[in-house]
Amino acid sequence: DARVTQTPRHKVTEMGQEVTMRCQPILGHNTVFWYRQTMMQGLELLAYFRNRAPLDDSGMPKDRFSAEMPDATLATLKIQPSEPRDSAVYFCASGLVGTSLLDTQYFGPGTRLTVL
Amino acid sequence: GENVEQHPSTLSVQEGDSAVIKCTYSDSASNYFPWYKQELGKGPQLIIDIRSNVGEKKDQRIAVTLNKTAKHFSLHITETQPEDSAVYFCAASIRGRGANNLFFGTGTRLTVIP
Repeated sequence: DARVTQTPRHKVTEMGQEVTMRCQPILGHNTVFWYRQTMMQGLELLAYFRNRAPLDDSGMPKDRFSAEMPDATLATLKIQPSEPRDSAVYFCASGLVGTSLLDTQYFGPGTRLTVL
Repeated sequence: GENVEQHPSTLSVQEGDSAVIKCTYSDSASNYFPWYKQELGKGPQLIIDIRSNVGEKKDQRIAVTLNKTAKHFSLHITETQPEDSAVYFCAASIRGRGANNLFFGTGTRLTVIP
Protein backbone atom coordinates (compact mmCIF):
# COMPACT_ATOMS: atom_id res chain seq x y z
CA ASP A 1 0.00 0.00 0.00
CA ALA A 2 1.95 3.02 -1.28
CA ARG A 3 1.74 6.12 0.86
CA VAL A 4 3.47 9.40 1.54
CA THR A 5 5.64 9.37 4.64
CA GLN A 6 6.75 12.34 6.70
CA THR A 7 9.27 12.75 9.48
CA PRO A 8 9.25 13.75 12.21
CA ARG A 9 5.60 13.39 13.17
CA HIS A 10 6.00 15.85 16.00
CA LYS A 11 8.57 18.55 16.64
CA VAL A 12 8.86 20.95 19.55
CA THR A 13 11.55 23.57 19.32
CA GLU A 14 12.47 26.97 20.65
CA MET A 15 12.17 30.20 18.75
CA GLY A 16 15.22 30.86 16.60
CA GLN A 17 16.10 27.22 16.06
CA GLU A 18 16.30 25.59 12.64
CA VAL A 19 13.62 23.05 11.77
CA THR A 20 13.83 20.54 8.94
CA MET A 21 10.86 18.45 7.88
CA ARG A 22 11.19 15.56 5.47
CA CYS A 23 8.84 13.90 3.06
CA GLN A 24 9.08 10.75 1.00
CA PRO A 25 6.58 10.90 -1.86
CA ILE A 26 4.90 7.86 -3.32
CA LEU A 27 7.37 6.09 -5.58
CA GLY A 28 6.91 7.20 -9.16
CA HIS A 29 4.99 10.38 -8.39
CA ASN A 30 6.43 13.41 -10.13
CA THR A 31 4.83 16.25 -8.17
CA VAL A 32 5.30 17.11 -4.50
CA PHE A 33 3.37 19.72 -2.56
CA TRP A 34 3.95 21.31 0.85
CA TYR A 35 0.97 22.61 2.81
CA ARG A 36 0.56 24.26 6.18
CA GLN A 37 -2.60 23.79 8.22
CA THR A 38 -3.72 26.02 11.07
CA MET A 39 -7.08 26.59 12.69
CA MET A 40 -7.17 30.17 11.49
CA GLN A 41 -5.93 29.79 7.91
CA GLY A 42 -6.96 26.26 7.04
CA LEU A 43 -4.86 24.50 4.39
CA GLU A 44 -2.33 26.80 2.72
CA LEU A 45 -0.15 25.76 -0.20
CA LEU A 46 3.44 26.72 0.52
CA ALA A 47 5.31 25.29 -2.47
CA TYR A 48 5.33 22.53 -5.01
CA PHE A 49 7.77 20.71 -7.23
CA ARG A 50 7.43 18.94 -10.56
CA ASN A 51 10.13 16.44 -11.46
CA ARG A 52 12.16 17.87 -8.57
CA ALA A 53 12.10 21.42 -9.97
CA PRO A 54 10.33 24.11 -7.94
CA LEU A 55 7.26 25.33 -9.80
CA ASP A 56 5.71 27.68 -7.31
CA ASP A 57 6.80 28.78 -3.87
CA SER A 58 4.82 32.00 -3.75
CA GLY A 59 2.95 30.84 -0.66
CA MET A 60 6.11 30.52 1.35
CA PRO A 61 7.78 33.26 3.42
CA LYS A 62 11.05 33.51 1.54
CA ASP A 63 13.10 35.03 4.29
CA ARG A 64 12.90 32.01 6.58
CA PHE A 65 11.44 29.09 4.63
CA SER A 66 13.14 27.00 2.00
CA ALA A 67 12.03 23.89 0.15
CA GLU A 68 14.21 21.50 -1.77
CA MET A 69 14.02 18.16 -3.45
CA PRO A 70 17.52 16.70 -3.47
CA ASP A 71 16.32 13.51 -5.14
CA ALA A 72 13.13 11.89 -6.33
CA THR A 73 12.55 10.14 -3.00
CA LEU A 74 13.10 13.07 -0.64
CA ALA A 75 11.59 16.52 -0.26
CA THR A 76 12.57 18.85 2.58
CA LEU A 77 11.04 21.95 4.09
CA LYS A 78 13.30 24.03 6.28
CA ILE A 79 12.53 26.94 8.58
CA GLN A 80 15.42 29.07 9.80
CA PRO A 81 14.99 30.79 12.16
CA SER A 82 11.69 29.42 13.45
CA GLU A 83 9.12 31.65 15.13
CA PRO A 84 6.08 30.86 17.31
CA ARG A 85 3.75 31.85 14.45
CA ASP A 86 5.19 28.93 12.44
CA SER A 87 3.46 26.51 14.80
CA ALA A 88 1.16 24.42 12.61
CA VAL A 89 0.80 21.03 11.00
CA TYR A 90 2.83 20.74 7.82
CA PHE A 91 1.64 18.30 5.19
CA CYS A 92 3.40 16.89 2.21
CA ALA A 93 1.37 15.53 -0.69
CA SER A 94 2.41 13.86 -3.90
CA GLY A 95 0.75 13.19 -7.22
CA LEU A 96 1.35 11.94 -10.71
CA VAL A 97 0.73 14.53 -13.36
CA GLY A 98 0.40 13.49 -16.97
CA THR A 99 -1.86 10.45 -16.59
CA SER A 100 -5.46 9.79 -15.64
CA LEU A 101 -4.39 10.50 -12.08
CA LEU A 102 -3.92 14.14 -13.02
CA ASP A 103 -4.50 16.52 -10.15
CA THR A 104 -5.04 13.83 -7.55
CA GLN A 105 -2.94 14.45 -4.51
CA TYR A 106 -2.14 11.97 -1.78
CA PHE A 107 -1.31 13.44 1.60
CA GLY A 108 1.15 12.29 4.22
CA PRO A 109 0.31 12.15 7.94
CA GLY A 110 1.82 15.56 8.64
CA THR A 111 4.44 17.03 10.97
CA ARG A 112 3.02 18.87 13.95
CA LEU A 113 5.42 21.72 14.71
CA THR A 114 5.35 23.69 17.94
CA VAL A 115 7.69 26.64 18.29
CA LEU A 116 7.95 27.93 21.85
CA GLY B 1 -7.13 33.04 -8.80
CA GLU B 2 -9.67 30.43 -7.78
CA ASN B 3 -11.78 30.96 -4.65
CA VAL B 4 -13.56 28.01 -3.08
CA GLU B 5 -16.21 28.53 -0.43
CA GLN B 6 -17.56 25.69 1.69
CA HIS B 7 -20.68 25.44 3.85
CA PRO B 8 -21.55 24.65 6.53
CA SER B 9 -18.48 24.90 8.73
CA THR B 10 -19.98 22.43 11.21
CA LEU B 11 -22.68 19.82 10.76
CA SER B 12 -24.22 17.41 13.23
CA VAL B 13 -26.48 14.60 12.14
CA GLN B 14 -28.04 11.56 13.76
CA GLU B 15 -26.62 8.21 12.81
CA GLY B 16 -28.44 6.90 9.77
CA ASP B 17 -29.39 10.34 8.47
CA SER B 18 -27.88 11.98 5.41
CA ALA B 19 -25.30 14.76 5.38
CA VAL B 20 -24.78 17.30 2.62
CA ILE B 21 -21.83 19.65 2.27
CA LYS B 22 -21.79 22.33 -0.39
CA CYS B 23 -18.99 24.20 -2.14
CA THR B 24 -18.87 26.97 -4.69
CA TYR B 25 -15.98 28.00 -6.89
CA SER B 26 -15.23 31.15 -8.79
CA ASP B 27 -13.17 30.17 -11.83
CA SER B 28 -15.27 28.64 -14.58
CA ALA B 29 -12.10 27.00 -15.94
CA SER B 30 -11.89 24.69 -12.92
CA ASN B 31 -12.56 21.16 -14.04
CA TYR B 32 -11.47 18.82 -11.27
CA PHE B 33 -13.16 18.66 -7.86
CA PRO B 34 -11.90 16.25 -5.21
CA TRP B 35 -13.21 15.76 -1.69
CA TYR B 36 -10.95 14.91 1.21
CA LYS B 37 -11.72 13.48 4.63
CA GLN B 38 -9.43 14.36 7.50
CA GLU B 39 -9.63 12.42 10.73
CA LEU B 40 -8.07 13.67 13.93
CA GLY B 41 -4.29 13.53 13.81
CA LYS B 42 -4.16 12.38 10.20
CA GLY B 43 -3.61 13.91 6.82
CA PRO B 44 -6.47 14.55 4.38
CA GLN B 45 -7.47 11.43 2.48
CA LEU B 46 -9.09 11.53 -0.93
CA ILE B 47 -12.55 9.96 -0.75
CA ILE B 48 -14.11 10.85 -4.07
CA ASP B 49 -13.54 13.20 -6.98
CA ILE B 50 -15.41 14.41 -10.01
CA ARG B 51 -14.34 15.91 -13.29
CA SER B 52 -16.26 18.53 -15.17
CA ASN B 53 -17.41 16.19 -17.91
CA VAL B 54 -19.82 14.42 -15.53
CA GLY B 55 -22.58 15.74 -13.33
CA GLU B 56 -22.67 13.08 -10.65
CA LYS B 57 -20.52 10.31 -9.27
CA LYS B 58 -21.35 7.77 -6.62
CA ASP B 59 -19.30 5.39 -4.52
CA GLN B 60 -21.33 3.32 -2.05
CA ARG B 61 -22.68 5.74 0.55
CA ILE B 62 -21.00 8.85 -0.81
CA ALA B 63 -21.87 10.82 -3.91
CA VAL B 64 -20.78 14.09 -5.42
CA THR B 65 -22.80 16.31 -7.73
CA LEU B 66 -21.53 19.12 -9.92
CA ASN B 67 -23.41 22.04 -11.42
CA LYS B 68 -21.04 23.79 -13.80
CA THR B 69 -23.49 26.50 -14.70
CA ALA B 70 -23.95 27.55 -11.10
CA LYS B 71 -20.34 26.71 -10.23
CA HIS B 72 -21.15 24.60 -7.24
CA PHE B 73 -20.60 21.01 -6.18
CA SER B 74 -21.82 19.01 -3.24
CA LEU B 75 -20.90 15.95 -1.20
CA HIS B 76 -23.71 13.67 -0.09
CA ILE B 77 -23.24 11.00 2.57
CA THR B 78 -26.16 8.67 3.13
CA GLU B 79 -26.81 6.35 6.07
CA THR B 80 -24.18 8.14 8.12
CA GLN B 81 -22.16 6.19 10.66
CA PRO B 82 -20.08 7.39 13.63
CA GLU B 83 -16.90 6.65 11.68
CA ASP B 84 -17.95 9.28 9.14
CA SER B 85 -17.22 11.91 11.80
CA ALA B 86 -14.30 13.98 10.49
CA VAL B 87 -13.46 17.23 8.76
CA TYR B 88 -14.29 17.25 5.07
CA PHE B 89 -12.59 19.51 2.55
CA CYS B 90 -13.66 20.27 -0.98
CA ALA B 91 -11.17 21.51 -3.54
CA ALA B 92 -11.01 22.74 -7.11
CA SER B 93 -8.29 22.57 -9.69
CA ILE B 94 -7.67 23.84 -13.18
CA ARG B 95 -6.11 21.37 -15.52
CA GLY B 96 -3.95 22.42 -18.41
CA ARG B 97 -2.40 25.49 -16.87
CA GLY B 98 0.70 23.73 -15.74
CA ALA B 99 -0.15 24.24 -12.11
CA ASN B 100 -2.41 21.39 -11.06
CA ASN B 101 -2.48 22.76 -7.56
CA LEU B 102 -5.65 22.47 -5.54
CA PHE B 103 -7.63 25.33 -4.04
CA PHE B 104 -9.24 24.11 -0.84
CA GLY B 105 -12.41 25.09 0.95
CA THR B 106 -12.25 25.91 4.64
CA GLY B 107 -13.58 22.55 5.77
CA THR B 108 -16.73 21.14 7.36
CA ARG B 109 -16.58 19.39 10.69
CA LEU B 110 -19.12 16.56 10.52
CA THR B 111 -20.28 14.92 13.73
CA VAL B 112 -22.44 11.82 13.53
CA ILE B 113 -24.33 11.29 16.75
CA PRO B 114 -24.87 7.63 17.64
